[in-house]
Amino acid sequence: NAGVTQTPKFQVLKTGQSMTLQCAQDMNHEYMSWYRQDPGMGLRLIHYSVGAGITDQGEVPNGYNVSRSTTEDFPLRLLSAAPSQTSVYFCASSSASHPTYEQYFGPGTRLTVT
Amino acid sequence: GEDVEQSLFLSVREGDSSVINCTYTDSSSTYLYWYKQEPGAGLQLLTYIFSNMDMKQDQRLTVLLNKKDKHLSLRIADTQTGDSAIYFCAESAGNMLTFGGGTRLMVKP
Repeated sequence: NAGVTQTPKFQVLKTGQSMTLQCAQDMNHEYMSWYRQDPGMGLRLIHYSVGAGITDQGEVPNGYNVSRSTTEDFPLRLLSAAPSQTSVYFCASSSASHPTYEQYFGPGTRLTVT
Repeated sequence: GEDVEQSLFLSVREGDSSVINCTYTDSSSTYLYWYKQEPGAGLQLLTYIFSNMDMKQDQRLTVLLNKKDKHLSLRIADTQTGDSAIYFCAESAGNMLTFGGGTRLMVKP
């Protein structure tokens, strides 16, 4: 199993540009989430999905869109990038049937918006 | 959301014990977790404790849970340079996690 994969690893955008961060998992997990990590603030939940076709907002959803057309993929779209979106983005997945709800994280995408 | 708080930084000497502390606010959390993040990598689950337990030991790791004070700690015995990383505590409501800000552990040789 590849686990959770994310592309790209690094990205630089100009203010106002749009882009999609890709996330895929091959563990047949129902739950997938996107977090952003900023220094000293831990990870904050952006959006999450409990299954294909179902998404919901997390703590900091503004400026981001998601969709979940398949179990495997959960892309995160930045509609019009802003410098405040400079961050490291992590995708995670977990199984609804796992007793401890352990989340598996991807390696992250480091995004800089200039 | 609920707040989970940790101190930012801890420095210890190799071979000493490290204790990383965390306070949380959601008394309904089922599990509490410790994740480890090495430089340039994602988070990996280090250990967890079920909310009806007081203590869990796993090799060099000891997790203590004080539900009355909503206090969680992670003790690493015989700390090694390879333990240098950021440690996050997290509380859960089902599959949704709330993370603390992370404690950077620096281990000096």
